[in-house]
Amino acid sequence: EVQLVESGGVVVQPGGSLRLSCAASGFTFDDYTMHWVRQAPGKGLEWVALINWDGSSTYYADSVKGRFTISRVNIKNSLYLQMNSLRTEDTAFYYCAKGSFAYYYMDVWGKGTTVTVSS
Amino acid sequence: DIQMTQSPSSLSASVGDRVTITCRASQGISNYLAWYQQKPGKVPKLLIYTASTLQSGVPSRFSGSGSGTDFTLTISSLQPEDVATYYCQKYNSAPLTFGGGTKVEIK
Repeated sequence: EVQLVESGGVVVQPGGSLRLSCAASGFTFDDYTMHWVRQAPGKGLEWVALINWDGSSTYYADSVKGRFTISRVNIKNSLYLQMNSLRTEDTAFYYCAKGSFAYYYMDVWGKGTTVTVSS
Repeated sequence: DIQMTQSPSSLSASVGDRVTITCRASQGISNYLAWYQQKPGKVPKLLIYTASTLQSGVPSRFSGSGSGTDFTLTISSLQPEDVATYYCQKYNSAPLTFGGGTKVEIK
């Protein structure tokens, strides 16, 4: 069974840093693009970042560019999101999602982890 | 960047009704369009990709159509378990923008 399990969500002060992790299982991790998607309380989905199969290409939403870094360690079947200079508007539920084999849509989603940025 | 606009933002329909949701891209995206369903308190689920291909396991009452800038998601006969918010997403290139969502309720 394909499974994605996020961790690392906590309460952090504005300006702080945080690293989210996503543990993948049930599929050949290094065959697939991976994504982070977030959802602020009561709001819609916002794509955050993607990383290709070997980490050589990454893309970011304008809202997080220069502050967040997506990375992966294929030998550990793990995806990460380093979040720096956090703002209150980064408060959201963060989902890890698996891309399809050849395209960028997301065919499996984790259950998510909550990040709260508050003083 | 390409913007994705969904309409309506919410709708209420009776069980058995045909429901149509529209998604419009500000520029052409060919058929690189996916639809997701998010039930209350649940994780988003992929319904349709390449504008009209049903993901495995999705009921056949769901269908998608369109190409270029205009797309539709249709539920042929609304069921109580279809209460959810539906999102379109373009994925031809980054940024992978989602539409604002359409909340579907039972009348």
